[in-house]
Amino acid sequence: AQKITQTQPGMFVQEKEAVTLDCTYDTSDPSYGLFWYKQPSSGEMIFLIYQGSYDQQNATEGRYSLNFQKARKSANLVISASQLGDSAMYFCAMREYNNAGNMLTFGGGTRLMVKP
Amino acid sequence: NAGVTQTPKFQVLKTGQSMTLQCAQDMNHEYMSWYRQDPGMGLRLIHYSVGAGITDQGEVPNGYNVSRSTTEDFPLRLLSAAPSQTSVYFCASSYLEGFGYTFGSGTRLTVV
Repeated sequence: AQKITQTQPGMFVQEKEAVTLDCTYDTSDPSYGLFWYKQPSSGEMIFLIYQGSYDQQNATEGRYSLNFQKARKSANLVISASQLGDSAMYFCAMREYNNAGNMLTFGGGTRLMVKP
Repeated sequence: NAGVTQTPKFQVLKTGQSMTLQCAQDMNHEYMSWYRQDPGMGLRLIHYSVGAGITDQGEVPNGYNVSRSTTEDFPLRLLSAAPSQTSVYFCASSYLEGFGYTFGSGTRLTVV
């Protein structure tokens, strides 16, 4: 079974509008972390935001927020006030801290395109 | 503070050739890992290490070897390159108990 599922292969959003990128995950480990990374066309992996499984509040970093719904096992990324520079691939990832190697597992990604 | 340094940035190999992708970090991270990213896809874990002398396989280990003789270095060896290994390779490191992964800039490998 897929550990991380991103169901939106591609999305368009109008500049200055908000957009939500979906991510669901599957784990039996009570201790885990959820990450979002941005990959622009230049190829580097840019860390955006982190949510720990025991965190009570949703994580926020500037225009990025993570809508964490633990019971539904979802960790959606919300980008407010989209900018042209937000056009990129976005990856959701999970790290299970009690599993051997606590490796980072990635979803298949969502390509976001911001329209002027 | 250089972070994670990968070399080379680009490489073309002929089928059957071997080579080593280099990865070095200067943050004293215990955890290091290698991922491959195929076009339009997410990253898949090849091998990882939780400390010097300790390595283990990830999701797609076949055709690759690793070793970790020092905390800083984690080279990835392609034993006999195949066209299916054409991909972008990323090295990443972190503290074992931390949440911040640092990625290298990637190596674009083409096997012809």
